[in-house]
Amino acid sequence: DSGVTQTPKHLITATGQRVTLRCSPRSGDLSVYWYQQSLDQGLQFLIQYYNGEERAKGNILERFSAQQFPDLHSELNLSSLELGDSALYFCASSVGLAGAPYEQYFGPGTRLTVT
Amino acid sequence: AQRVTQPEKLLSVFKGAPVELKCNYSYSGSPELFWYVQYSRQRLQLLLRHISRESIKGFTADLNKGETSFHLKKPFAQEEDSAMYYCAPPGNQFYFGTGTSLTVIP
Repeated sequence: DSGVTQTPKHLITATGQRVTLRCSPRSGDLSVYWYQQSLDQGLQFLIQYYNGEERAKGNILERFSAQQFPDLHSELNLSSLELGDSALYFCASSVGLAGAPYEQYFGPGTRLTVT
Repeated sequence: AQRVTQPEKLLSVFKGAPVELKCNYSYSGSPELFWYVQYSRQRLQLLLRHISRESIKGFTADLNKGETSFHLKKPFAQEEDSAMYYCAPPGNQFYFGTGTSLTVIP
């Protein structure tokens, strides 16, 4: 158990809908990362937050947004869902920020299925 | 930015055979690299890190600055090694390699 929790575990929804994925980082970790993992595209970095502030953006679509709250948990919001958004969404956390070789601790993922 | 490349998407070896998963990096400065493993669509977990020079589950990885590589090796593959392996730069950089799916054939 990495100490990172994600809810829900599974989510099935229809195209055009909006969903929110939740992540609680390990105790003491200030950085949260979101990744999308699909069979054809591997592990794609979406966005990083550090202590409540957005610090880096990857291949995140405009239909997706995220935030990190004062208690350091994070939410990833996916809207106007398309079939291609079906994937496993991972959250990870780490202690530090840029410039330091901190490992990431991954949550169990949320499997999103868009029908 | 620190980037890594994993040239093999799929790799199959027989049980007991040596295995090497390749990872090449391309950036300046002193690289800090990690290997993560993902068993059967579970969460990714750290396998080993370059800086600690340790051996985990029989795997080792040596940083070769001349070849800019950080290949993961194990002398005798086991069936339980079948998994997805990702080479990764440190936590402040986010672009994992594309991953190599290792299958160990009984």
